[in-house]
Amino acid sequence: DAGVTQSPTHLIKTRGQQVTLRCSPKSGHDTVSWYQQALGQGPQFIFQYYEEEERQRGNFPDRFSGHQFPNYSSELNVNALLLGDSALYLCASSLGGGLAYEQYFGPGTRLTVT
Amino acid sequence: GQNIDQPTEMTATEGAIVQINCTYQTSGFNGLFWYQQHAGEAPTFLSYNVLDGLEEKGRFSSFLSRSKGYSYLLLKELQMKDSASYLCAVRGEAAGNKLTFGGGTRVLVKP
Repeated sequence: DAGVTQSPTHLIKTRGQQVTLRCSPKSGHDTVSWYQQALGQGPQFIFQYYEEEERQRGNFPDRFSGHQFPNYSSELNVNALLLGDSALYLCASSLGGGLAYEQYFGPGTRLTVT
Repeated sequence: GQNIDQPTEMTATEGAIVQINCTYQTSGFNGLFWYQQHAGEAPTFLSYNVLDGLEEKGRFSSFLSRSKGYSYLLLKELQMKDSASYLCAVRGEAAGNKLTFGGGTRVLVKP
């Protein structure tokens, strides 16, 4: 049973560029949440996707956008990258659009913006 | 708004007990979670409390008092592998899985 997978593992981008991060949820899960974790801090909620729609959103600018595909996998896009976007991006999957309490986190994508 | 507070760092000796406190102020409450995160790895689920009281799971226990906005995670018989960050998170809404995390408590277990 595959857990949550994310790609790529590491990424280096330059200020102003755009980046796409990918997540495949745990088998049987249909809900994907994205979090940003700066070094030494707790994860911050970006948004959640369920039934291919953004259902909830945290305090992140419109530069952060996402998508969920019919197979429940998801992408996180960040435009016009800033140095402050450097962080570990975590994807978490769960079941039922938030009705289940347990979320499983993927290993994350480490994004460095120079 | 949401506010989750937990100590930044704690040190304990192998075989001892450590208690990590978490206080929260959130708009609505629908469960409190504890996660363990080793450096460079994903958070892994440890416990979930939605009613007041103590939940025990092996060497780990978690307590919740909703009226006080307070929780603690108790780690018993500490092992070197328990050195990690411990994250307290609250789900504040009736639906959805948005979790608000504290900054994490880094626990260092010494021999």
